[in-house]
Amino acid sequence: DQQVKQNSPSLSVQEGRISILNCDYTNSMFDYFLWYKKYPAEGPTFLISISSIKDKNEDGRFTVFLNKSAKHLSLHIVPSQPGDSAVYFCAASARYGGSQGNLIFGKGTKLSVKP
Amino acid sequence: GAVVSQHPSRVICKSGTSVKIECRSLDFQATTMFWYRQFPKKSLMLMATSNEGSKATYEQGVEKDKFLINHASLTLSTLTVTSAHPEDSSFYICSARDVQGTDTQYFGPGTRLTVL
Repeated sequence: DQQVKQNSPSLSVQEGRISILNCDYTNSMFDYFLWYKKYPAEGPTFLISISSIKDKNEDGRFTVFLNKSAKHLSLHIVPSQPGDSAVYFCAASARYGGSQGNLIFGKGTKLSVKP
Repeated sequence: GAVVSQHPSRVICKSGTSVKIECRSLDFQATTMFWYRQFPKKSLMLMATSNEGSKATYEQGVEKDKFLINHASLTLSTLTVTSAHPEDSSFYICSARDVQGTDTQYFGPGTRLTVL
């Protein structure tokens, strides 16, 4: 049973527009959420995170929104750039839930930003 | 900051040999390191959690005698694939958690293992 779901395997966006990547989770014990970006044959790169006590966190062109009641988070990239083309993974952890804070990953969404 | 290195980046070995992969946190101390495996077009699969000075915790279905993990210091964990077989060919990625900060995991660049 997937605890973290990224239902869109791919997303194509025009350069300069907004990219919105979505993620849903089922475990109400999750209290920390992260987004990673991954290029082929490389390790994931940490982008941005959000604690469950917040509903928004912003860092430059990247904003993560958290809707706890809907168990949904999203990553907004604006404006999108061709260099943003990569696979984006959503991850969640239950830091105080006795699971050692292990990250549970979604399957990823491949973002393509077209010039 | 928060740089994690892996060595080697790519290794090709014969079936039956053992391969050691190193994971180092370069600018922070990591009491916990994680080992993942990624299959083509799949998400990251957690193999084991490695705590400094204690035995690793393996995920269900991962053979502990096959994938030996040692976390001897706060900056180094090693994964040894013993008696490797072609089905062990994969992309192995480690991560380290910075417990001084927000528990974010920082990933190494990965190791591509090919077993002939």
